[in-house]
Amino acid sequence: IVLTQSPGTLSLSPGERATLSCRASQSVTSNYLAWYQQKPGQAPRLLIYGASSRATGIPDRFSGSGSGTDFTLSISRLEPEDFAVYYCQQYGNSPRTFGQGTKVEIK
Amino acid sequence: EVQLVESGGGLVQPGGSLRLSCAASGFTFSSYSMNWVRQAPGKGLEWVSYISSSSSTIYYADSVKGRFTISRDNALTSVYLQMNSLRAEDTAVYYCARDPRGQLWFDYWGQGTLVTVSS
Repeated sequence: IVLTQSPGTLSLSPGERATLSCRASQSVTSNYLAWYQQKPGQAPRLLIYGASSRATGIPDRFSGSGSGTDFTLSISRLEPEDFAVYYCQQYGNSPRTFGQGTKVEIK
Repeated sequence: EVQLVESGGGLVQPGGSLRLSCAASGFTFSSYSMNWVRQAPGKGLEWVSYISSSSSTIYYADSVKGRFTISRDNALTSVYLQMNSLRAEDTAVYYCARDPRGQLWFDYWGQGTLVTVSS
């Protein structure tokens, strides 16, 4: 399954809402989709699994939604620490694949 | 606190070998599947290999099949990646990652170790 994330770069200001898209080339089995955040020089951090379940310790301003082939990560109000690259990953089909990433940058 | 610490990266010539290690702590290691995921410089993430908690099930990405071998030692709470016949395209930061449900998604990641394949 090929995951296509859009946009490639999102330029927003702190306090604004961010909406990131992840589109799959075929339906993701059981909506097994995860989202990760990666800051420069750091390892990825799990945000969302099962399309909409927040991982331990993740603030509720992060939310995931979607099903089938279309998934969304929303950040309700951007905090300074949220500017990073975000990856989606499907784990419902083999091989597991990641999207190419969306960079959320400060406008 | 869950901790994963990779080691063993470095510079190696094409065709050479390297063994990566990942030392785990802060959780019951023997109960979890583990994975290796890599990231080429400036690029995205690529899953590399999976090993189940008992080592009974192992998977590899097609790009490394036949060249890489994953293993683990539950007594030492460590997972390993033996990399042979290395190519320039294997240059990447290699992360070990815990798999909470054996479904090949990753709830904790190490800080990564850089492997550079170059002459």
